[in-house]
Amino acid sequence: DVKVTQSSRYLVKRTGEKVFLECVQDMDHENMFWYRQDPGLGLRLIYFSYDVKMKEKGDIPEGYSVSREKKERFSLILESASTNQTSMYLCASSNHRGMEETQYFGPGTRLLVL
Amino acid sequence: AQSVTQLGSHVSVSEGALVLLRCNYSSSVPPYLFWYVQYPNQGLQLLLKYTSAATLVKGINGFEAEFKKSETSFHLTKPSAHMSDAAEYFCAVSHFGNEKLTFGTGTRLTIIP
Repeated sequence: DVKVTQSSRYLVKRTGEKVFLECVQDMDHENMFWYRQDPGLGLRLIYFSYDVKMKEKGDIPEGYSVSREKKERFSLILESASTNQTSMYLCASSNHRGMEETQYFGPGTRLLVL
Repeated sequence: AQSVTQLGSHVSVSEGALVLLRCNYSSSVPPYLFWYVQYPNQGLQLLLKYTSAATLVKGINGFEAEFKKSETSFHLTKPSAHMSDAAEYFCAVSHFGNEKLTFGTGTRLTIIP
């Protein structure tokens, strides 16, 4: 079974803090994705990566950055957390560059910024 | 550009009744279409996907969906609802040459005992 794990299920941070969300997949997938999920808005893509050290902006990259130093690990960074970044963050991975390839999701990190 | 519209943010059905969750897509090229399910406090899990083979796609847990190009629809159905089907359901679209998925806003399904 594909396993995508996220470092925390729940996280509480203060405004202005630097926040790291970690995602690890164990299936040697090339593609990794970060989404945020908000009620009534569905999932919106923040950043994605096709390969190590490669990243591309998604639909809502402002206020976020990412790092992919190893194939299995994809980190989302909030340089200076703000209250409007309170959300559920979901990581996903998929194989190759196949458009029909299934994305496998982690359990999510619910972030509260105070 | 591609987009997905899910009609009805909340749907309630009685246990044993038909489940119908609606999804319409917009894509300038032939689409690939997906339904994902999210149970409470969990990530998303693939229910089924359409990738230009059979237009009627069968998925897990008794769900199926039919791709109708003329109606630009990919509605999800299940003949008889079970209490364990209570969850949020997301429709998503991608297309050849684009690895990104575009998700709909989701439909929360409630099952009435």
